Order: sequence, then structure tokens, then C-alpha cells
Amino acid sequence: DSGVTQTPKHLITATGQRVTLRCSPRSGDLSVYWYQQSLDQGLQFLIQYYNGEERAKGNILERFSAQQFPDLHSELNLSSLELGDSALYFCASTPTGGNYGYTFGSGTRLTVV
Amino acid sequence: GIQVEQSPPDLILQEGANSTLRCNFSDSVNNLQWFHQNPWGQLINLFYIPSGTKQNGRLSATTVATERYSLLYISSSQTTDSGVYFCAVEGSGNTPLVFGKGTRLSVIA
Repeated sequence: DSGVTQTPKHLITATGQRVTLRCSPRSGDLSVYWYQQSLDQGLQFLIQYYNGEERAKGNILERFSAQQFPDLHSELNLSSLELGDSALYFCASTPTGGNYGYTFGSGTRLTVV
Repeated sequence: GIQVEQSPPDLILQEGANSTLRCNFSDSVNNLQWFHQNPWGQLINLFYIPSGTKQNGRLSATTVATERYSLLYISSSQTTDSGVYFCAVEGSGNTPLVFGKGTRLSVIA
């Protein structure tokens, strides 16, 4: 167990639907990152939050949004889902200060049918 | 942004063999990590190694930051070492981790 918890582990939904993925970072970690891993694009950075505020944005579609709550957990909302959104979605967290690198959760596997 | 290239893209080993995986990056880095993605999709952190050498059991890694490359050594490989090995770097501007395309390792008994 890495200490980063992601739920659900698997999700199957239909095109056009909306889903919410949840991430709880390691205790004390203020930064949360979301990554998407699809077969053709590899691991792509989506968005970063630090202590509740958006810190950096990557190749995140307008149909996707995220937020980080006061208890530091984060949610990634995916709407108007398309077949191409099928992927593994990872959350990672890092501590403030120190040099410990990123710790990743076990991911949510999203299948859009 | 920073570019990360990994080689080889694919590697097939007999159990017990040794291997070296390479990661080249295009700019100075604050962070470099090696990950193993197992067949179930989990990303396991192997090393945090922006510079220097580290060892953990049969695995070791070396990063030569001045020459912008890192090497991951796997000795006495086992079938459980199979999966994809990723190198990921964080540039000096505190930009988020950028991943290479990975090396897919298959260890056969």
C-alpha cells in the first residue's frame, strides 16, 4: 500500500455519461497530481492541486475538471464521456519540502462503452 | 518542455540474466524517478534518484545529471520483474513529472 488511495478501482460507463474519480493523498501531503494513461498516449499529466488551489495544468480536456477539498482529498470529474476517454487514471501526491518524489495510487481503470 | 527518451523499447530476458535500461533527458532536472508498472497496472516507485547511485536488492540505478542520463540495472532477473519500466523527470522549473514511453521487459523461465 503506497498510502495514496484511489476509488473506485474499476468503472464501466456509457458514452455521454459523467463520472467522478476520488483520490486521498498520503497523510500530510499537500500536492495532488492527476495523470491519464491511455494505450496510444502513454502517461500524461492532467492537473495539479496544492493545498486546495490549482497549481499547474497539462493536457486536460475542457470536459474534465478537478478540485481539492479542505481535507486534501481530490476528485477528478469527467463528463460527456467518449470511447477515447477509456484509460487508467492515476493520482499521485508529494510531500511539502524534502526530496521524496511522487507516490502513485493504484489507479482507476475507466472503460467507456 | 523537457523530453525523456528510454531505451530499449522492448527487452526479452531469460530468467537469471542481467539487464541495463537507459533514460536520456533533455534538460537539467530536480527529480528523476524510476517506476515499475506491473501486469496489473500498478505503478511501483523503484528509485528517487536525481543524481548519484542507489541500490535496492537486485536493482540499482545511477543518474549522471551533468550528462543527462540515468541507468537502471536489473541483476539475476526473475519472472516477477516483467512489466514496463518508466523513467520520469521533473524539470528545474518545478514542472510536474514527465514520463518516458517506457521499456517493456519480459522475463521468461
